[in-house]
Amino acid sequence: KAGVTQTPRYLIKTRGQQVTLSCSPISGHRSVSWYQQTPGQGLQFLFEYFSETQRNKGNFPGRFSGRQFSNSRSEMNVSTLELGDSALYLCASSLDGRSDTGELFFGEGSRLTVL
Amino acid sequence: GDSVTQMEGPVTLSEEAFLTINCTYTATGYPSLFWYVQYPGEGLQLLLKATKADDKGSNKGFEATYRKETTSFHLEKGSVQVSDSAVYFCALSDRAAGNKLTFGGGTRVLVKP
Repeated sequence: KAGVTQTPRYLIKTRGQQVTLSCSPISGHRSVSWYQQTPGQGLQFLFEYFSETQRNKGNFPGRFSGRQFSNSRSEMNVSTLELGDSALYLCASSLDGRSDTGELFFGEGSRLTVL
Repeated sequence: GDSVTQMEGPVTLSEEAFLTINCTYTATGYPSLFWYVQYPGEGLQLLLKATKADDKGSNKGFEATYRKETTSFHLEKGSVQVSDSAVYFCALSDRAAGNKLTFGGGTRVLVKP
């Protein structure tokens, strides 16, 4: 069974540009969450999508957005990039989105560097 | 809001030593608690979990007990191996918040042969 796949794995952008990251969840998983990981702030929740609807959102500015498609694949977009957006962006999927089941399956991440 | 505090690393141990990583939490509801591990160059993997007070999660020789009275979920392993070198994250999820995980800052563990 294939795991969570994130693309691209590495990318470099300049300030002011925008970026789109993609996540393919494990087959059959309907919930997709996104997290930002930085040395200073650690792991921070961005948003969660379930059945194409954003169900939960973290405390990030509106420059961070996402969406989920009917096949559960998800994308996140960051517009007007800032140096502080440099981070590892992790996608996680789960079967039915109920926290009682607990386990999120994480991808290896997309490492974004903003110059 | 919810928060998780875990001991800062790095923690450096010799092989076969005993490992403890402290984790305490603050939550308004009745959270589920987790330990995730991140090996170098990889994503996060669930190590163990506990969904209610006094539950003990265990996996690969690691154990943690959900202590509601002390709001703690300390991770322990009796005899570590070099392959246990990784970053360990304590996390909680509040059932009311869906699948949102609140993570601690992570503890880097280095096991030397």
